[in-house]
Amino acid sequence: DAGVIQSPRHEVTEMGQEVTLRCKPISGHDYLFWYRQTMMRGLELLIYFNNNVPIDDSGMPEDRFSAKMPNASFSTLKIQPSEPRDSAVYFCASSFSRNTIYFGEGSWLTVV
Amino acid sequence: KNEVEQSPQNLTAQEGEFITINCSYSVGISALHWLQQHPGGGIVSLFMLSSGKKKHGRLIATINIQEKHSSLHITASHPRDSAVYICAVKNFGNEKLTFGTGTRLTIIP
Repeated sequence: DAGVIQSPRHEVTEMGQEVTLRCKPISGHDYLFWYRQTMMRGLELLIYFNNNVPIDDSGMPEDRFSAKMPNASFSTLKIQPSEPRDSAVYFCASSFSRNTIYFGEGSWLTVV
Repeated sequence: KNEVEQSPQNLTAQEGEFITINCSYSVGISALHWLQQHPGGGIVSLFMLSSGKKKHGRLIATINIQEKHSSLHITASHPRDSAVYICAVKNFGNEKLTFGTGTRLTIIP
């Protein structure tokens, strides 16, 4: 299996632009997570899905952030409009039935 | 809210040394993860445990549920073990992970 696949790996965008991060979980996994990592706050859970249904989005910073999982093999995290403080590494991860969690390589976002 | 503390924050050791990284948490958990992150790289789950001890190669993870404490040990450390090691705990009733701040390990040849 190719593992959890994220795109883009790196993105530099201007403040105010829309950013869309994409994730393909490992086939057969029923949980999908979006995390954010910054120097100041470390790793934080933004949202997680179970069987494509959002279960807990309490970590989503504000209305500028939204996440969708239209099917079992694809999820997006959207930021609109983006701000410099959104600069971070965004990780997608998946797991099967609450077992070991597998992380993607991360999407490195810089908002200037 | 579960408070997760790791120690030490930074650790430098000579190749071959035995390494111990500690993690303590404040509220009872359903599982604890040890994660490894190389500089500029992704995150790899090393262990998930809810009781006792697990071993994989030169890595050993233990957990004491009563004391709310876990340790990650590396035997015969090697420069390629240099990475940030992160402890993460999962509370009962949901799949949210609460992360420690990480331990930056550097192994000198």
